[in-house]
Amino acid sequence: DVKVTQSSRYLVKRTGEKVFLECVQDMDHENMFWYRQDPGLGLRLIYFSYDVKMKEKGDIPEGYSVSREKKERFSLILESASTNQTSMYLCASSFEQGAGSTDTQYFGPGTRLTVL
Amino acid sequence: GQNIDQPTEMTATEGAIVQINCTYQTSGFNGLFWYQQHAGEAPTFLSYNVLDGLEEKGRFSSFLSRSKGYSYLLLKELQMKDSASYLCAVRDLGGSYIPTFGRGTSLIVHP
Repeated sequence: DVKVTQSSRYLVKRTGEKVFLECVQDMDHENMFWYRQDPGLGLRLIYFSYDVKMKEKGDIPEGYSVSREKKERFSLILESASTNQTSMYLCASSFEQGAGSTDTQYFGPGTRLTVL
Repeated sequence: GQNIDQPTEMTATEGAIVQINCTYQTSGFNGLFWYQQHAGEAPTFLSYNVLDGLEEKGRFSSFLSRSKGYSYLLLKELQMKDSASYLCAVRDLGGSYIPTFGRGTSLIVHP
């Protein structure tokens, strides 16, 4: 079974703090993703990575950065947290994402971040 | 990009059948996924369609019509545990091939 784990289920931070969200997958997947999920807005892609040290912006990268130093680990960084970054953050991984690929994304349990 | 539309919420009775629709607009369709997400949990994969027609998997079936930009997820013999959000995601040939998610449909199954 594919397992995607996230470092925390719940996190409370203050405005201006630097926040690290960690994600680890154990299936040697090439691709990893960070989403945020908000009521009424669905899942929105923040960043993704298709290889170690590679990263690509998703639909809403502003205010976030990422790091992928090892294949199994993908970190999301909020340099200076703001209240509008209060959300559920979901990490996912997949083996491939090319045209015609039937490969699905496997999601972690999520981190509910509250910024006060 | 894609414009994906799903109903926000649906209710149904245990034992019944429910159909959750998803319409999309895309310049280069390359597959449609359905995921199930229980409250407070991770989304899990249900089905994938890339050709027209019906794919059946036990109590769940998914249908696709590429010419109409339309898919539905059909849930039969509903059980209380089917109460969840159902997410439609569409992949486009342009860009990164990463599926774009709709806003999800919250299904409430009552006795």
